[in-house]
Amino acid sequence: GQQVMQIPQYQHVQEGEDFTTYCNSSTTLSNIQWYKQRPGGHPVFLIQLVKSGEVKKQKRLTFQFGEAKKNSSLHITATQTTDVGTYFCASGGSNYKLTFGKGTLLTVNP
Amino acid sequence: DTGVSQDPRHKITKRGQNVTFRCDPISEHNRLYWYRQTLGQGPEFLTYFQNEAQLEKSRLLSDRFSAERPKGSFSTLEIQRTEQGDSAMYLCASSSGQLNTEAFFGQGTRLTVV
Repeated sequence: GQQVMQIPQYQHVQEGEDFTTYCNSSTTLSNIQWYKQRPGGHPVFLIQLVKSGEVKKQKRLTFQFGEAKKNSSLHITATQTTDVGTYFCASGGSNYKLTFGKGTLLTVNP
Repeated sequence: DTGVSQDPRHKITKRGQNVTFRCDPISEHNRLYWYRQTLGQGPEFLTYFQNEAQLEKSRLLSDRFSAERPKGSFSTLEIQRTEQGDSAMYLCASSSGQLNTEAFFGQGTRLTVV
């Protein structure tokens, strides 16, 4: 997969505030996946986006894939302490292997 | 099936020793991957198997690393003559299917080389 850059690297919010992480590439992506890794845990799949301009929702989480398929975002509405963890985007490439960004570490103050 | 399992969970070894890790993927998954993750970084691709065939290996992977998947089921990752820079979390993942290529990760093996 193509290289992806994630911002911000860290985000600290008060419980109830919203959170957004962004994933950018200089080249067109075939697809983008999002994973969540809790502290001390392993990456867990959240969603896959394939189509240009695609928007998918999972309860308080909203995922978007840009029209040019070069960027993606994950937005969490009204964060909860259970949202704590590192959120990674990953681009899919040949042999279905994933190229991960460095992730955004989210901490939530109760 | 309880998902992808890895053994051991932790390994401490002296520099220069050889280590071997095992991964048991989800049984019906034909694709198996090894990734390495260091602190503050995302998982980095190491190698990929489709059934028993190793189809891709990262160019960054030293020749001290070797992986096998002899019967297309479990896989082993061996690191020879370990170095301190090999200290990392080694993650195994498996997947199947054509459209949704979700990867299921194991808990990982944390290697510390002292």
